[in-house]
Amino acid sequence: DADVTQTPRNRITKTGKRIMLECSQTKGHDRMYWYRQDPGLGLRLIYYSFDVKDINKGEISDGYSVSRQAQAKFSLSLESAIPNQTALYFCATSDLGESRHDEQFFGPGTRLTVL
Amino acid sequence: DAKTTQPNSMESNEEEPVHLPCNHSTISGTDYIHWYRQLPSQGPEYVIHGLTSNVNNRMASLAIAEDRKSSTLILHRATLRDAAVYYCILRDATGGFKTIFGAGTRLFVKA
Repeated sequence: DADVTQTPRNRITKTGKRIMLECSQTKGHDRMYWYRQDPGLGLRLIYYSFDVKDINKGEISDGYSVSRQAQAKFSLSLESAIPNQTALYFCATSDLGESRHDEQFFGPGTRLTVL
Repeated sequence: DAKTTQPNSMESNEEEPVHLPCNHSTISGTDYIHWYRQLPSQGPEYVIHGLTSNVNNRMASLAIAEDRKSSTLILHRATLRDAAVYYCILRDATGGFKTIFGAGTRLFVKA
C-alpha cells in the first residue's frame, strides 16, 4: 500500500462548488503539505502543517483552506471553486528527524478541473 | 528567500553521464541543497541532498561548489527511466520552512 494517498485522484466540478481534497499518510510523519502544480510552473506551496495544532500559509493560500484532522490526515478545501484553480494538487509529508534534511514524500496527485 | 536557477531542458544519450546544473547565488549558511525529480504522471521523489561536501548515493552524485553558489546533479549513466523534470531546491536546516521548487530542468534521454 502507498505511504501517502490522495482522494479523489480526479475530479471535475463547476464554478462555485465546494471541493475537499483528502490526504492520508501511514509514514507517521508530523509534517504535511499541500502543493499545486500548473504546466511549466513547478510546484507552489499552498499550506503546510508541522503538527496537528499547527497550520501555516504558503505562497498561494488565497481561495484555499485546510484542516489537520489527525497526524495522518490533512485536507485541502476550495470553498468556492473557480476555473483558475484547475491544476494538479499534491500532498506531501516529511519528518525532520535526526538528519534534519526533511525529505518530502509525495502522494500521487489529484487532478482537479473547474468548469 | 533564496532562489535557484536551472536550465529549462537538457538532452542526453542513454548510458552517458548527465550533469544537471543549478545556480543558487543567494544561498544562506543554513540552507541544504536538495534535488527532487518528477517522473511523468507521478509526484516528485527525493534524489539527493547536501550541505557543503559532495555526496553520493545509489541514484546520483551531488557536486557542490566551494562557495556553495552552485551545484551539479550527476547521473552517471542515464537510462530512459531517468527522463523526468529535475528540481533543485533549498531547504532551511534550522527547521524553518523555505522551499521553492521552481520550474526545474526537463531531461530528455535518447536511446
